[in-house]
Amino acid sequence: AQSVTQLDSQVPVFEEAPVELRCNYSSSVSVYLFWYVQYPNQGLQLLLKYLSGSTLVKGINGFEAEFNKSQTSFHLRKPSVHISDTAEYFCAVSFSSGSARQLTFGSGTQLTVLP
Amino acid sequence: DAGVIQSPRHEVTEMGQEVTLRCKPISGHDYLFWYRQTMMRGLELLIYFNNNVPIDDSGMPEDRFSAKMPNASFSTLKIQPSEPRDSAVYFCASSLETSLGPDTQYFGPGTRLTVL
Repeated sequence: AQSVTQLDSQVPVFEEAPVELRCNYSSSVSVYLFWYVQYPNQGLQLLLKYLSGSTLVKGINGFEAEFNKSQTSFHLRKPSVHISDTAEYFCAVSFSSGSARQLTFGSGTQLTVLP
Repeated sequence: DAGVIQSPRHEVTEMGQEVTLRCKPISGHDYLFWYRQTMMRGLELLIYFNNNVPIDDSGMPEDRFSAKMPNASFSTLKIQPSEPRDSAVYFCASSLETSLGPDTQYFGPGTRLTVL
């Protein structure tokens, strides 16, 4: 079965510390990978995406993610977080079989940056 | 571009009433998606359209839900009759076909529905 797992539902971290938000997927076919961020009372906004090419992807607001095919992971990282990074982060996967337009979302990780 | 526009932003209704949510996708986008977000179930895809044609409605919870896209710039999601368990935030998103694979889905601000 194809699925997306975000193991950490809550990640508290102090300001200026590094952070890693984990995302794993299960699939027997090729995948396209996305990270979205949702600020309170807003819609989702794309942070970055991996379609092909370099496995290290850089996104907005200083975030980056690395696609690891052998570990079926796409973890999101930022070397130094700010208070304004407090939000919910969603990993999403599009599987190449079936309709490639559909996104399957993980359950989300609430990142809270503490002063 | 103004982005994806959804209306209303908030809707409070009583059980049994009809509810209509509206979405205007980004101009030129050919895919439109309806999602529902709840604490219990997270973000779920309800239905999506390509060039105004429904492609997959397997996520629509039951016959009380229906969605239409009469033209490229407008879509509706209707719930009739509404029930308290339909309370959620409903998002509309749109995207554009590319040769590279799935393109970014742009989300609207959502409609927060409360059914009493």
